[in-house]
Amino acid sequence: NAGVTQTPKFRILKIGQSMTLQCTQDMNHNYMYWYRQDPGMGLKLIYYSVGAGITDKGEVPNGYNVSRSTTEDFPLRLELAAPSQTSVYFCATIQGVGAQYFGPGTRLTVT
Amino acid sequence: GENVEQHPSTLSVQEGDSAVIKCTYSDSASNYFPWYKQELGKGPQLIIDIRSNVGEKKDQRIAVTLNKTAKHFSLHITETQPEDSAVYFCAATSSGGSYIPTFGRGTSLIVHP
Repeated sequence: NAGVTQTPKFRILKIGQSMTLQCTQDMNHNYMYWYRQDPGMGLKLIYYSVGAGITDKGEVPNGYNVSRSTTEDFPLRLELAAPSQTSVYFCATIQGVGAQYFGPGTRLTVT
Repeated sequence: GENVEQHPSTLSVQEGDSAVIKCTYSDSASNYFPWYKQELGKGPQLIIDIRSNVGEKKDQRIAVTLNKTAKHFSLHITETQPEDSAVYFCAATSSGGSYIPTFGRGTSLIVHP
């Protein structure tokens, strides 16, 4: 039971490049989330999904897109990378009575 | 919307001392308050939580207290150890929605051996 897995662990992008951050969960929960965490800052919600085929914007969605075709997978797409998107990205699902269960994160640098 | 404030931003203690981190929230509809520990290079992990119908909860060396009237909740760590050094986040959530929490900005706890 892996919980939440994220790939890649690290990535360096050039400005204007695109990439997809992968997230997979085996906890069989409908709800999934993407957060970004900037140095010394808290967690900001980018997008979330309450089930397959349903996605919704969070606090900071600009520059990102998501899709949710299965319960297990929730990929995050960056179309035109910008330096402001340098951050650590965490995918999460739900555990217990409503706490977030986070993946290990993807550290992204855009230069 | 909900606003969660967390203090202090940095807390430095000697091994064996107690540590207290405090959070306040603004939305009286919030009824679930988890605490997370984030070690360097890892994702946050749930360490303890409390629901609004409970005033205090303990798990070995950690405890959380909740004052609904004052809208504040606190994390208490007793007999701190170097491995307690990490960033701690509080959060407030209301049930019946999409389980979306509002996080505090985090407290960096440093335990000196």
